[in-house]
Amino acid sequence: GAGVSQSPSNKVTEKGKDVELRCDPISGHTALYWYRQSLGQGLEFLIYFQGNSAPDKSGLPSDRFSAERTGGSVSTLTIQRTQQEDSAVYLCASSFISYEQYFGPGTRLTVT
Amino acid sequence: SQQGEEDPQALSIQEGENATMNCSYKTSINNLQWYRQNSGRGLVHLILIRSNEREKHSGRLRVTLDTSKKSSSLLITASRAADTASYFCATDEDNAGNMLTFGGGTRLMVKP
Repeated sequence: GAGVSQSPSNKVTEKGKDVELRCDPISGHTALYWYRQSLGQGLEFLIYFQGNSAPDKSGLPSDRFSAERTGGSVSTLTIQRTQQEDSAVYLCASSFISYEQYFGPGTRLTVT
Repeated sequence: SQQGEEDPQALSIQEGENATMNCSYKTSINNLQWYRQNSGRGLVHLILIRSNEREKHSGRLRVTLDTSKKSSSLLITASRAADTASYFCATDEDNAGNMLTFGGGTRLMVKP
């Protein structure tokens, strides 16, 4: 079956512009996660959606970051007024009940 | 913040040799997972070991978990050039809602 998909795969934007990153989880998965990986670093948790519960936003680095999950499926991560330090690969993952998270290919964001 | 610390940060071996990577963590966990990442793209789940398990095998992979020392190791036997990648451990902490906390990763290079 189809895995987790993300779009775009690459995004170059100018400092100060807003960007939206999209994640399509595996159908039926109730949990969706966003992570960020800066160059040469490990993964950093950003936000977690589980079913209809309020999302866990504890990993969002600033109020310029927000995320939505519509209809319990597709999610959009929005970064407003992008800064150069926002440049990273943004990874989305989804899971059901097995604790195993399935990751998408990521979106490489470059802020110039 | 990242809980896990991986050791070594980089490892270079010859094809056919075994590769051992270690991971340490700080809090109590439900399970620990190992992921592989090629070329800074999406993560691939390798193996999950639960907190009540001590050792698990999957093909050429062997994972151990010592909860008393809060550490895990990943052994890849008879390595191949295709095993060249970054390997991350990730912990599913108690009461963290399946959110994974990742280590910084080990960059493995297998020379043909």
